[in-house]
Amino acid sequence: KAGVTQTPRYLIKTRGQQVTLSCSPISGHRSVSWYQQTPGQGLQFLFEYFSETQRNKGNFPGRFSGRQFSNSRSEMNVSTLELGDSALYLCASSPAFNSPLHFGNGTRLTVT
Amino acid sequence: ELKVEQNPLFLSMQEGKNYTIYCNYSTTSDRLYWYRQDPGKSLESLFVLLSNGAVKQEGRLMASLDTKARLSTLHITAAVHDLSATYFCAVDGGRGSTLGRLYFGRGTQLTVWP
Repeated sequence: KAGVTQTPRYLIKTRGQQVTLSCSPISGHRSVSWYQQTPGQGLQFLFEYFSETQRNKGNFPGRFSGRQFSNSRSEMNVSTLELGDSALYLCASSPAFNSPLHFGNGTRLTVT
Repeated sequence: ELKVEQNPLFLSMQEGKNYTIYCNYSTTSDRLYWYRQDPGKSLESLFVLLSNGAVKQEGRLMASLDTKARLSTLHITAAVHDLSATYFCAVDGGRGSTLGRLYFGRGTQLTVWP
């Protein structure tokens, strides 16, 4: 069974640009969550989608947005990039409560 | 907001030794998870603990949960080099929390040396 797939693996962007990251969950998993990982702040929750609806949102500015498609694939978008947005962005999917989140390999975003 | 504290944050231990990583959380939670992350890699699920007194073991790792104390431990027995990684505990938000929303500790960076 294929795992959570994130594309691209690496991105280098300039301040002020925008970026879109993609995530394909494990087949059958309808919940998709996004996390930001940085050395300073650790793992921070961005948002969660279930059946194309945002169910939960972390404490991030409105520049961070996401969506989920009918096939459960998800995208997150960051507009007006700042240097502090440089991070590893992890996507996770889960089939149900009491199951662990299954994480993808992440997208490493560098903002210069 | 729910806080998750792990200690120690850095652990250097010799092969063959035993040690315990502690994970405290600040409010009632129904589910506790342990993850492992190797450098440059993603998070790998190790254990899911769902009830008070739950204990799970896999190889040289054993995790336990005390919901009354809001404490989980990850015990390492006879450490080997392959266990070198960063270990995270995470909890959900308790009653009313959603499936994908976890609160993570800062992680314990474990280095096992010969």
